[in-house]
Amino acid sequence: GAVVSQHPSRVICKSGTSVKIECRSLDFQATTMFWYRQFPKQSLMLMATSNEGSKATYEQGVEKDKFLINHASLTLSTLTVTSAHPEDSSFYICSAIFSPEAFFGQGTRLTVV
Amino acid sequence: RKEVEQDPGPFNVPEGATVAFNCTYSNSASQSFFWYRQDCRKEPKLLMSVYSSGNEDGRFTAQLNRASQYISLLIRDSKLSDSATYLCVVNPPGSSASKIIFGSGTRLSIRP
Repeated sequence: GAVVSQHPSRVICKSGTSVKIECRSLDFQATTMFWYRQFPKQSLMLMATSNEGSKATYEQGVEKDKFLINHASLTLSTLTVTSAHPEDSSFYICSAIFSPEAFFGQGTRLTVV
Repeated sequence: RKEVEQDPGPFNVPEGATVAFNCTYSNSASQSFFWYRQDCRKEPKLLMSVYSSGNEDGRFTAQLNRASQYISLLIRDSKLSDSATYLCVVNPPGSSASKIIFGSGTRLSIRP
């Protein structure tokens, strides 16, 4: 089946720094990728839709200047959490659809200290 | 009303029991439905697709009720390893790259 690879799987950073998370589709092209955030014991919440070659579409309440998304190629989307704060600590997961199934990256556990 | 709704649980049942949970969706034109399983601190993985005619995979049975707009998942002879969160997923109509909608998940805990 299709594979989506996400990196890093775990990152700890200091408050105020920026963190970049990569999401790659390994054996298929993904013009659209999705970024989710999941807090403990809560469901996946869609943050934004990443579109290859154009601007990302952000969900209501998600700050586009804080969560920078770049989808520069058909196999790579990146999410950069800028000026991270402890409340940004969460599990971030990317996804791409290889119709009709959605495939997920392994997730990135971000801890901001 | 949420686009996809699930009972969050937790469902706590003994090993060997049969357990079922439902998921309702609001968009009557939705075409694709799935159940995903998510283990703690892991990414969701596809458990099974839900077809109009219903489908069965071993101990798992998924059904779709279009008239009432819900899908269901039945687990028979539950095992300890079935403990997880089960996510209902609906792919609304639209472009081929439509975003999928997740339910909040139902937590299932199987006890010895």
